[in-house]
Amino acid sequence: DTEVTQTPKHLVMGMTNKKSLKCEQHMGHRAMYWYKQKAKKPPELMFVYSYEKLSINESVPSRFSPECPNSSLLNLHLHALQPEDSALYLCASSQDPLSGPSGYGYTFGSGTRLTVV
Amino acid sequence: AQKITQTQPGMFVQEKEAVTLDCTYDTSDQSYGLFWYKQPSSGEMIFLIYQGSYDEQNATEGRYSLNFQKARKSANLVISASQLGDSAMYFCAMRETNNAGNMLTFGGGTRLMVKP
Repeated sequence: DTEVTQTPKHLVMGMTNKKSLKCEQHMGHRAMYWYKQKAKKPPELMFVYSYEKLSINESVPSRFSPECPNSSLLNLHLHALQPEDSALYLCASSQDPLSGPSGYGYTFGSGTRLTVV
Repeated sequence: AQKITQTQPGMFVQEKEAVTLDCTYDTSDQSYGLFWYKQPSSGEMIFLIYQGSYDEQNATEGRYSLNFQKARKSANLVISASQLGDSAMYFCAMRETNNAGNMLTFGGGTRLMVKP
């Protein structure tokens, strides 16, 4: 299995809703990432989990709450979002979070298109 | 902080011709990795090719090759024999590594449109 699976593919939520995005990989990768991508922009890093511990938080507002229950699963809990949070949310994984630059690539999921109304 | 620059917001290429997408980067690290990804309108990020800073030969993967000029800090993607299915956004990215781990930083992207 060489895939990163994200669910749901599309999500529409109100500003008072609570929802969660899910990301799963079974490649034995020990680093997992959340990226946010606005239309016509590059992906921007939000969070990095290394060995199931949060290692990087790029000053993301607290209305986004990541969780890594185990080495295969990464969640992003959403609460009280704003319309400007509407974007494509991409999950990625890589083999070894602390390895130096080598051939260890990143595998991305297909993303969740989030619309906040 | 590292920075990736893609100077071509959009490009057209005729089907079956070759095209070069530009990427320059800025880093003070000696050891780094450069990636190219393709993103169709569906949103998925598809890995195309990787070049390590210590790799002496330019990377190649099928129709994709990376023209790596380390002294100029450029890592241009060359797509040979363009196909209609190559129409997509293309992102150059660099791996940053620090004590907290590693992450990808992306350039602004180039939208490639292949004409029949």
